Amino acid sequence: AQRVTQPEKLLSVFKGAPVELKCNYSYSGSPELFWYVQYSRQRLQLLLRHISRESIKGFTADLNKGETSFHLKKPFAQEEDSAMYYCALYSQGGSEKLVFGKGTKLTVNP
Amino acid sequence: NAGVTQTPKFQVLKTGQSMTLQCAQDMNHNSMYWYRQDPGMGLRLIYYSASEGTTDKGEVPNGYNVSRLNKREFSLRLESAAPSQTSVYFCASIHRDRVKEAFFGQGTRLTVV
Repeated sequence: AQRVTQPEKLLSVFKGAPVELKCNYSYSGSPELFWYVQYSRQRLQLLLRHISRESIKGFTADLNKGETSFHLKKPFAQEEDSAMYYCALYSQGGSEKLVFGKGTKLTVNP
Repeated sequence: NAGVTQTPKFQVLKTGQSMTLQCAQDMNHNSMYWYRQDPGMGLRLIYYSASEGTTDKGEVPNGYNVSRLNKREFSLRLESAAPSQTSVYFCASIHRDRVKEAFFGQGTRLTVV
């Protein structure tokens, strides 16, 4: 079974501070991992995916298979980063299932 | 290009009533999904469809049924609504042969009284 765990429901930081949103996963196969973001009153949208190894809006995430983690990081948080963040795992090769963690609400204070 | 469209946006039902939530995508995606979003519970998968003609249960399928009418449409039906089904429902689709980015509808806010 595949499972995504986001241990922090709420995370509050000050503007300019580093931020790290944790994500751990459980999956027997080779995972495809994503971070999605939901700004207030908007639909969910993709932030970044592990296979692209990209930086979007200053955020990065590295897949650590040994620790089964995919933490999201940003060195200097901005107020506009305040949103709900969801880690997601996609299982390919037959199932095509996409499951999400419970989400972390990030608040960046001025 | 409308993306993923859900109807209705809001609905209030009485306990025991039935209704169908509609979802359509115009991106030629293979896989479609229904989630419910509740405070503190995140997004929980109700049902999904990897391709036209197939459906599978997710984490919380009880009380729901789905129909993959064609490649574009994936509907979610509540046969006998219960207050526990009060939630925001999201439909999503993925083109599984590409980068697997999920595109979401705007959500349906359902209240069962």
